[in-house]
Amino acid sequence: NAGVTQTPKFQVLKTGQSMTLQCAQDMNHEYMSWYRQDPGMGLRLIHYSVGAGITDQGEVPNGYNVSRSTTEDFPLRLLSAAPSQTSVYFCASKGAGVYEQYFGPGTRLTVT
Amino acid sequence: EDQVTQSPEALRLQEGESSSLNCSYTVSGLRGLFWYRQDPGKGPEFLFTLYSAGEEKEKERLKATLTKKESFLHITAPKPEDSATYLCAVQAGDYKLSFGAGTTVTVRA
Repeated sequence: NAGVTQTPKFQVLKTGQSMTLQCAQDMNHEYMSWYRQDPGMGLRLIHYSVGAGITDQGEVPNGYNVSRSTTEDFPLRLLSAAPSQTSVYFCASKGAGVYEQYFGPGTRLTVT
Repeated sequence: EDQVTQSPEALRLQEGESSSLNCSYTVSGLRGLFWYRQDPGKGPEFLFTLYSAGEEKEKERLKATLTKKESFLHITAPKPEDSATYLCAVQAGDYKLSFGAGTTVTVRA
């Protein structure tokens, strides 16, 4: 199993541009989530999904959209990038009946 | 609101010098407390889950313990390869994790 994969690994955007961060998992996990990690702060939950077609907001959802059309994929969309969205983004997943979440390798995003 | 505070922010150890990391938390209805290891440029790697006060888990040179207000991650006789940032997180509801800012451990040979 590849586990949780994320693309791209690095990305530079200009203010106002849009892009999609990709996340996929091959473990048939129902739950998937997106976090951002900033220096000196803990990982903060952006959006999460408990299954295909079901999404909900986390702690810091503004400026981000998500959808979940399949069990495997959970993309994160930035509609109009802002410098405040410069961060490292992690996708995570977990299976039913367990609490442990497994993280992808991350996407480092810089917005200029 | 769930709160997780980790201390110290950074810890420099000599190889073989045992020490402990602290994670204090306030949460309503703890479902689980988690420890993760994160290497530079990588995603967090799951280490332990603790569910109730008094529980202990061990893995190689690491031992995690839990009380009603805090958790400790003990590193016994550390080696340079134990250098990493260690993250603590709590889960109160069904899905959401609340993370601390982490403790960065550097072990010198």
